[in-house]
Amino acid sequence: SQQGEEDPQALSIQEGENATMNCSYKTSINNLQWYRQNSGRGLVHLILIRSNEREKHSGRLRVTLDTSKKSSSLLITASRAADTASYFCATERKSSYKLIFGSGTRLLVRP
Amino acid sequence: NAGVMQNPRHLVRRRGQEARLRCSPVKGHSHVYWYRQLPEEGLKFMVYLQKENIIDESGMPKERFSAEFPKEGPSILRIQQVVRGDSAAYFCASSRDRGTGDNSPLHFGNGTRLTVT
Repeated sequence: SQQGEEDPQALSIQEGENATMNCSYKTSINNLQWYRQNSGRGLVHLILIRSNEREKHSGRLRVTLDTSKKSSSLLITASRAADTASYFCATERKSSYKLIFGSGTRLLVRP
Repeated sequence: NAGVMQNPRHLVRRRGQEARLRCSPVKGHSHVYWYRQLPEEGLKFMVYLQKENIIDESGMPKERFSAEFPKEGPSILRIQQVVRGDSAAYFCASSRDRGTGDNSPLHFGNGTRLTVT
């Protein structure tokens, strides 16, 4: 079964607004990663947060991790039309190298 | 620096034919992972290989699907006697040799979109 589940499934915002996506998972993890996928393309790695970290920033991205609630959030600040894409969380379990992906959030940023 | 290269980008097969999907990992990477993505869904793990070894094939269907990563050449995902339900995007990812607690991300290719008619 899928490790990660994201919500919302779809999100539509105006350019300049912030976008928040959430991810929940079920088992202990080594790290949690967020990926972006443009329509018809491969995945681009955005940010990785380790299980002993609580928050991480990269440019306009902010990721939080709450291991007690087994959840993570991705915040994109000051969104741009070019941020329109699907965003996936993926978890790497301890002692396993494979990534387990959630079902994704489809983000639409309206110009 | 070439990333993960997958070919073909698009593949059309009729029911009953064979599909061969190729993946060349990042230079120096010895680990390859195959994932399948159905429309509007996330990626589902299929198989994890190191050179000449299958490490984890827990996501592979028991029949018709096989994967290899030979000592020389690309990794191959082979689907025999394809059916319409095999239509999907197949992604390959690679990584270097990773030790316990290694948090380096995977590098993904752009995928092969298989259409079975």
